[in-house]
Amino acid sequence: EAQVTQNPRYLITVTGKKLTVTCSQNMNHEYMSWYRQDPGLGLRQIYYSMNVEVTDKGDVPEGYKVSRKEKRNFPLILESPSPNQTSLYFCASSPQVGPYGYTFGSGTRLTVV
Amino acid sequence: DQQVKQNSPSLSVQEGRISILNCDYTNSMFDYFLWYKKYPAEGPTFLISISSIKDKNEDGRFTVFLNKSAKHLSLHIVPSQPGDSAVYFCAASSGSGSARQLTFGSGTQLTVLP
Repeated sequence: EAQVTQNPRYLITVTGKKLTVTCSQNMNHEYMSWYRQDPGLGLRQIYYSMNVEVTDKGDVPEGYKVSRKEKRNFPLILESPSPNQTSLYFCASSPQVGPYGYTFGSGTRLTVV
Repeated sequence: DQQVKQNSPSLSVQEGRISILNCDYTNSMFDYFLWYKKYPAEGPTFLISISSIKDKNEDGRFTVFLNKSAKHLSLHIVPSQPGDSAVYFCAASSGSGSARQLTFGSGTQLTVLP
């Protein structure tokens, strides 16, 4: 089944403790992206990647890092999480950059206390 | 300042009637528009899209209308079904090549009452 898989689905952590949210897609998509969803703000892009070793900042990149060492994986790294990073995170992929329908993962609910 | 706005956080409609979800945008460079649907505990799924060179696109019960002069688009669902109850996000795209990105609205919770 074609899908984007995120792990974990739920995570509660403490301020300052480094964490990684994994994202993997099995569709051989070139384009991958991370979004966060907050009430009243919709989906805001954090980082995106057009291909292996090519990443770029989205609208809200502060406090996040990403890497794209393999085509299928695009982990999101929070080096020192803070409470304002409490949010619902979605990974998405697409065959190429453009206004195409993205395939989204099921989301990761992160709480930073 | 949000470039894509969905001013109605929620909408309730009776089963069988028409649902109309609205979206306004401010950036005249947007040239492609999409609607996504999201159920609880799932990621958004692509529903329908429209290019700025068109004013209507239809797919089954779903029709998207684009009014470029008003910078407004709407999603019509006819007839509405209880399974349509979900959050609907409007998204807009602009740019070229690596600069092309999607900007999402804040979403509208649609509830279809049986």
